[in-house]
Amino acid sequence: GESVGLHLPTLSVQEGDNSIINCAYSNSASDYFIWYKQESGKGPQFIIDIRSNMDKRQGQRVTVLLNKTVKHLSLQIAATQPGDSAVYFCAENMVGTNAGKSTFGDGTTLTVKP
Amino acid sequence: EAQVTQNPRYLITVTGKKLTVTCSQNMNHEYMSWYRQDPGLGLRQIYYSMNVEVTDKGDVPEGYKVSRKEKRNFPLILESPSPNQTSLYFCASSLGMRDGKAFFGQGTRLTVV
Repeated sequence: GESVGLHLPTLSVQEGDNSIINCAYSNSASDYFIWYKQESGKGPQFIIDIRSNMDKRQGQRVTVLLNKTVKHLSLQIAATQPGDSAVYFCAENMVGTNAGKSTFGDGTTLTVKP
Repeated sequence: EAQVTQNPRYLITVTGKKLTVTCSQNMNHEYMSWYRQDPGLGLRQIYYSMNVEVTDKGDVPEGYKVSRKEKRNFPLILESPSPNQTSLYFCASSLGMRDGKAFFGQGTRLTVV
């Protein structure tokens, strides 16, 4: 079968390397997914989103991949910088009778070593 | 400046004493939501509102109330706080439920003793 990345609670990378953060979502009815970054002492901050009719979306230095078959999301950060150190959460938004409900993943703490 | 403002930022209260955490946004957003964040449990949705006078339960609504009488305000009410409601609370808003550019407040750290 197809392999997918495991969700890791922590990830440590060298400055300049690429980072990949994984997230498994639970609800097949979810059709909209978001990645957030949370720095210490602050609220979550939007990074990038993707709708379920897409497989990939790119932003500035970030790419989100969506695999609906195995209900998996990943966030790729290119040329990771010390300012990228934070906790990263994926969130899934639901449709239908649960429209408006939003569920967050457990989060991955990214540490960037200089 | 576009922002979501929560008050207070920090609060220590006693069990059973009613309190309200206010949330206000200046972006004319339709969708607003409350979350609590606990170590090891991530962010969990308490209540959300798709528009004025429309509110719905999230995953952990017990012990909380909300109201949405005006578009900009979405207060969170704890009628009888208990120690298990000690947490970090975040309010968020976005244009709509399917617009992911959600803006979060700075958070309210609540301690119930």
